[in-house]
Amino acid sequence: EAQVTQNPRYLITVTGKKLTVTCSQNMNHEYMSWYRQDPGLGLRQIYYSMNVEVTDKGDVPEGYKVSRKEKRNFPLILESPSPNQTSLYFCASSPDPGEYYDGYTFGSGTRLTVV
Amino acid sequence: AQSVTQPDIHITVSEGASLELRCNYSYGATPYLFWYVQSPGQGLQLLLKYFSGDTLVQGIKGFEAEFKRSQSSFNLRKPSVHWSDAAEYFCATTTNFGNEKLTFGTGTRLTIIP
Repeated sequence: EAQVTQNPRYLITVTGKKLTVTCSQNMNHEYMSWYRQDPGLGLRQIYYSMNVEVTDKGDVPEGYKVSRKEKRNFPLILESPSPNQTSLYFCASSPDPGEYYDGYTFGSGTRLTVV
Repeated sequence: AQSVTQPDIHITVSEGASLELRCNYSYGATPYLFWYVQSPGQGLQLLLKYFSGDTLVQGIKGFEAEFKRSQSSFNLRKPSVHWSDAAEYFCATTTNFGNEKLTFGTGTRLTIIP
């Protein structure tokens, strides 16, 4: 089944403790992206990647890092989490745009709480 | 920069009634427009998309949307809602296939009453 898999689904951590949220896709997509969803704000892009070793900042990159060493994986790293990073996070992937472009395929989300 | 506005935060509709969710975009040229649905505890699922051509597009689950350039709108419609349609709906746009950035609206939460 074609899918984007995020882990973990739920995570509670303490301020300052480094964490990584993993994301993997099995569709051989070139593009991958991380979004955070907050009430009243919709989804905002954190980082995106157009291919292996090619990443760039989205709208809200502060406090986050990413890497794309393999095409299928795009982990999100919070080196020193803070309470304002408590949010619902989505990883997504898409193929190169073209006639059959369907936008992104989204993972099921990771609900992160930083206390 | 492109943006989308969903003016309705929450809509309540009776089961079997018709539905229209509003979306307005802001961009000079024709944007690429999407509607996504998010069921409770789930990720986002694509309902339909508009790139060009016929301004009335059909999607999954009986939804359709109409692109109206004169009104800068891309409203989502369904003639008869089902209880399973209760979810949050997001309009999104992209105009730059260089970075694959989808810009989302703030969402409309749909409640269905019996």
